[in-house]
Amino acid sequence: AQKITQTQPGMFVQEKEAVTLDCTYDTSDPSYGLFWYKQPSSGEMIFLIYQGSYDQQNATEGRYSLNFQKARKSANLVISASQLGDSAMYFCAMREGGTGGFKTIFGAGTRLFVKA
Amino acid sequence: DADVTQTPRNRITKTGKRIMLECSQTKGHDRMYWYRQDPGLGLQLIYYSFDVKDINKGEISDGYSVSRQAQAKFSLSLESAIPNQTALYFCATSAGQGLPGELFFGEGSRLTVL
Repeated sequence: AQKITQTQPGMFVQEKEAVTLDCTYDTSDPSYGLFWYKQPSSGEMIFLIYQGSYDQQNATEGRYSLNFQKARKSANLVISASQLGDSAMYFCAMREGGTGGFKTIFGAGTRLFVKA
Repeated sequence: DADVTQTPRNRITKTGKRIMLECSQTKGHDRMYWYRQDPGLGLQLIYYSFDVKDINKGEISDGYSVSRQAQAKFSLSLESAIPNQTALYFCATSAGQGLPGELFFGEGSRLTVL
């Protein structure tokens, strides 16, 4: 069963506006971590932000924030004040705790296009 | 120099050939991973290793094998390459036994099997 779902294959946003990239996940492990990675056209994978399942506050890193809704099993990435350099693929990922073997699995990704 | 180095970065080979992708890291991490990226499928885990004596199959291990030669080195082999193994391959590392354990990626190895 698919454990990470990203339902938006592609998204467009106007420069300087905010955008939300959706991610839902499925796990029965109470201990897990959620990540977002960015892949620019150059191909490298860049870690953006992390949210632990026991964290009370939503994670923030500069212009990135993670809207964590545990009961809904969603972990949406919010990018504020979009920039042209934000155009890239974005992957949501989950790392389960002991029962999941501490390995990380990924969603299919969302391609973000930032328009000038 | 990159903390996680993959060689070769690009490789074109023919069906039936044996190919090895190598990964070395200077981050001192115990955990190493091989992922495969296909368009529309995200990254799929092929194999992972939590230390030199520990090798585990991931989601799509068929047709692949790995070797953990040292803490810093983790190689992926395709014994007899086939065209549907054409993909972008990533090696990654992570620290520690628990969370967060974010992944640190190499720059990727683009493999084309003709």
